[in-house]
Amino acid sequence: DAGITQSPRHKVTETGTPVTLRCHQTENHRYMYWYRQDPGHGLRLIHYSYGVKDTDKGEVSDGYSVSRSKTEDFLLTLESATSSQTSVYFCAISDLQKNTEAFFGQGTRLTVV
Amino acid sequence: AQSVAQPEDQVNVAEGNPLTVKCTYSVSGNPYLFWYVQYPNRGLQFLLKYITGDNLVKGSYGFEAEFNKSQTSFHLKKPSALVSDSALYFCAVRPILISSGSARQLTFGSGTQLTVLP
Repeated sequence: DAGITQSPRHKVTETGTPVTLRCHQTENHRYMYWYRQDPGHGLRLIHYSYGVKDTDKGEVSDGYSVSRSKTEDFLLTLESATSSQTSVYFCAISDLQKNTEAFFGQGTRLTVV
Repeated sequence: AQSVAQPEDQVNVAEGNPLTVKCTYSVSGNPYLFWYVQYPNRGLQFLLKYITGDNLVKGSYGFEAEFNKSQTSFHLKKPSALVSDSALYFCAVRPILISSGSARQLTFGSGTQLTVLP
């Protein structure tokens, strides 16, 4: 399995609180992605990074921010959690220059109450 | 912007029968195409990919996929389904050329739930 770890794996938080999810990789891949998975919607891209301090928005970026201060870590922050952000969040890594497929973490199940 | 369509939310097939999970895509330029499988409460696992070359791609667990450029399709197939193949399947696409913006993104379809009946 690719060296990719998400933390925490499960979290329950209250509406209005900030939440940070962490993705850590040991593969030295340049590209990192955050997706959310919801029934009927498949995987939707939130943000992605193409290098240290280089990030861009995805399809559903409102209410989320990201940071990548070093190659191995990509953080996703929900600035003020809402019930609509209850979801399963997946991190993925890829080395597009080498035409590799993306490798996924095990996911974080976030519940906003 | 690129997109992926998986027209069937659910596919049911009897064990031992051939299976097909459909995928069509839209992308600027030539595509890289991928299939992933997800078992309950797990992350996505890579099955196979099309980069260039033969239109028929073979992957893990006996799965294969056929790339059809004129129909912009990349259907997943298996000659003989197993009950253990029951899972959620995702098709994904990105452009070959990495320039900027959406070209760096890996875009997924909404997924197809495959159920293989014993």
